[in-house]
This record gives sequence, C-alpha cells and structure tokens, in this order.
Amino acid sequence: QVQLVQSGAEVKKPGASVKVSCKASGYTFTSYAMHWVRQAPGQRLEWMGWINAGNGNTKYSQKFQGRVTITRDTSASTAYMELSSLRSEDTAVYYCARWFDFWSGSIYAGSAFDIWGQGTMVTVSS
Amino acid sequence: AIRMTQSPSSLSASTGDRVTITCRASQGISSYLAWYQQKPGKAPKLLIYAASTLQSGVPSRFSGSGSGTDFTLTISCLQSEDFATYYCQQYYSYPLTFGQGTKVEIK
Repeated sequence: QVQLVQSGAEVKKPGASVKVSCKASGYTFTSYAMHWVRQAPGQRLEWMGWINAGNGNTKYSQKFQGRVTITRDTSASTAYMELSSLRSEDTAVYYCARWFDFWSGSIYAGSAFDIWGQGTMVTVSS
Repeated sequence: AIRMTQSPSSLSASTGDRVTITCRASQGISSYLAWYQQKPGKAPKLLIYAASTLQSGVPSRFSGSGSGTDFTLTISCLQSEDFATYYCQQYYSYPLTFGQGTKVEIK
C-alpha cells in the first residue's frame, strides 16, 4: 500500500542540525512532489517547503530559507529534510506529505496532501 | 502570506449532533482549500479538497462548501470516531498555510 515511513525521534542541542528521512513505497516516487510540514506542541501545522521528486527542484518557506534543505535519493525512494542552526522553537513533530493533484478526466480538480508520514519528533534542548 | 482563521477554536458536541466549522482566508483563494482531520499523536488525514470534494473513503456525513474567502466543514451526524481536531489549508499561493485548528470534543 501507499505509505511514507519516517526516521525516528531526535534530540539535538541548540545550534546543531537534524536530518529527517521519509521513505516512500507503493507508488512511483519520482511522479509526485514531497512536502515537509511541522507542528510545534499545541500549534497549527506549518509548511516548510517541497521538492519535485522527479527533477529535484525545491521551494522553501521564506521563514526557513537558509536553514532548511530538502533533498531526495530516487534510488532509495527517500526524501530528506535537513534543518540547521536549531533553536528551542524548532522543537516539533516534522511530517513529510505527498502532494497529489486530482483530475476529472483531463480537467484539474484540485490538490491536497493525500498521504502523510507518521511524523518525527525533534526535540531541541541544551 | 494568506492567513487562515478558523472558528470556533473548540466546541463540545454529542454523538448525533450536526457540527459546522468555519474557515476564513485573509484574501480570496477561489476553491483552493482542503480540510484535514487529526487525532492525538497521529498525522493529519485528508477529508476534502477543492473546498467541497470528498476524498475517497471519507464518510458522506462530511461535507464542505464555500469559495473566495469563506468556507465551512459540516459533519451531519457526529460519530464517536469524529472527535478530533480539524484544520483547513489553502493552496492558492505559497507559502501554503493552515488554520489554527478546531478541536471537536465530547460534551
């Protein structure tokens, strides 16, 4: 079945970097965009950026520009999100999510995050 | 960035009730809106896209409406498994943004 499996929880010190992986299965990895969304405790979901898994092009939220890098390994059907210069406010659950375009025949019918990883808890603490 | 504001932030309801959640965008987003359900400790689950199209496998008691700046998610007959937090999300422009969530609790 279609699923995204993320790497395990991480504990990091302020100033360090973290790299979270997201392994896709059950579909053609290079045919879809992969996004990263985070959720700090008790907070709303926050979009970080995305990668075109086919050609590797990326787009990042201005909030994280310069600190986040999203990459992919097509041979492993895996996307990665690396966040640097960590601070306590980066403590959150990080999700990968597949972006899906819906079509009605040849007519575009909408888009959404249709499949999500299970989430990776990243704790930043000294 | 487009600001998404949901109301109420939380509500208490009983099984069988009709529940309506609203989502307002800070600018027009046509119908580029999705709704998600999230249960504690779990990833969000897609319910509706394009403001009113039900995702495959989602029960028909869920429905969405609206366009432009004002949207609603309605649960026609609340079931026990529907107690969760609901988020709207716009995809009209980057950065993609979410509402703050509406927690549906048991009365």
